[in-house]
Amino acid sequence: DVKVTQSSRYLVKRTGEKVFLECVQDMDHENMFWYRQDPGLGLRLIYFSYDVKMKEKGDIPEGYSVSREKKERFSLILESASTNQTSMYLCASSSSGQGNYGYTFGSGTRLTVV
Amino acid sequence: AQTVTQSQPEMSVQEAETVTLSCTYDTSESNYYLFWYKQPPSRQMILVIRQEAYKQQNATENRFSVNFQKAAKSFSLKISDSQLGDTAMYFCAPNTGANSKLTFGKGITLSVRP
Repeated sequence: DVKVTQSSRYLVKRTGEKVFLECVQDMDHENMFWYRQDPGLGLRLIYFSYDVKMKEKGDIPEGYSVSREKKERFSLILESASTNQTSMYLCASSSSGQGNYGYTFGSGTRLTVV
Repeated sequence: AQTVTQSQPEMSVQEAETVTLSCTYDTSESNYYLFWYKQPPSRQMILVIRQEAYKQQNATENRFSVNFQKAAKSFSLKISDSQLGDTAMYFCAPNTGANSKLTFGKGITLSVRP
């Protein structure tokens, strides 16, 4: 069964901490994405990557960075966590092959910053 | 930036009845793909149905079908014979940009009543 795995389902961190959210996919997908999901706002794109060591800003990159050192792994980094980063974070991956078959999602990480 | 509008934040339907969820979007592209995703309380995002914009025939997957009106930029999801397991949040997500990047609507919460 193909999978996108997010390392934590729930996470509680303190304001000012550096936070790493990890995402691993086993489908050999080229593209990987980080979204945050908030009530009434839907899913908003933070960062995405089309290839190893490549990254592109999404719609709301402020306060975040990413790392993609290996094809299967895409990490989201909160350099100094703040309470307004309390949210659900979703990782997804997709293929760059012919056609577009949408994303495969991880099960999400609910992050609370206190 | 591309916009996706799901104007109904919540809907409710009786079990076994039919419900239609609406979605409109904007794009200047002529060839693209559109998706509906379902997010049940478990939080796992699941692909429901996919439509290729250059195909005139509306996509169907078992009880799920779409009404795709390309000129009107409308992409509604019809769920027939609603089941309790259809209770979830539903997101419309067209891809009209490069590299399979999806833009999500704010979602609609569907409740199926027994």
